[in-house]
Amino acid sequence: QSVLTQSPSASGTPGQRVTFSCSGSSSNIGSNTVNWYQQFPGTAPKLLINRNNQRPSGVPDRFSGSKSGTSASLAISGLQSEDEGDYYCAAWDDSLNGPVFGGGTKLTVL
Amino acid sequence: QVQLVQSGAEVKKPGASVKVSCKASGYTFTEYYLHWVRQAPGQGLEWMGWFNPNSGGATYAQKFQGWVTMSRDKSINTAYLEVNRLRSGDTAVYYCARDIAVPGTEVDLDVWGQGTMVTVSS
Repeated sequence: QSVLTQSPSASGTPGQRVTFSCSGSSSNIGSNTVNWYQQFPGTAPKLLINRNNQRPSGVPDRFSGSKSGTSASLAISGLQSEDEGDYYCAAWDDSLNGPVFGGGTKLTVL
Repeated sequence: QVQLVQSGAEVKKPGASVKVSCKASGYTFTEYYLHWVRQAPGQGLEWMGWFNPNSGGATYAQKFQGWVTMSRDKSINTAYLEVNRLRSGDTAVYYCARDIAVPGTEVDLDVWGQGTMVTVSS
């Protein structure tokens, strides 16, 4: 059971906008920044969003992040078939003295 | 380019130990913390601990304290994760990842190794 809560699945059609939610608590999201990772089958995760809403170099601006209170969201606009994969949120947890991850959301592009 | 290259897949019997390596290149090994994260088949990401390659100090997730050891060899820019007393539940892909933040309030894992599959089976 993951510390951060994510919906297990999401779907959309090409061109649509999809959002992912991530719910935590005051010891993690409520007091620290949130990252999002993208993972394709058989590959390592890739940093997609850091510090709540910053895109590392090379990440398209179709991806955006936000945070409010103890929840965070990731949005993908102009959905593409190659976006299909798993998306994980993560945040530092002050109580555990380490990062915690969400259980991941599997995105299907219909 | 910045890279973390991990050692190859391992098959171990229950009760055995495994040592996974993570070789860094393209940056100064001692300037960034490393984290170890594992992923059981079909499951999510599980943080194991973080490691300071400069000092050699490590902080382990409570679940892994006492049976996991993180270490490094600065001369070859390589970090190690040793897992002892393996059980079938430890079957997973083990990743090392570089952190561009200083552990404490944020974690930004910007570069990941390719992963090492460890299978525990009798």
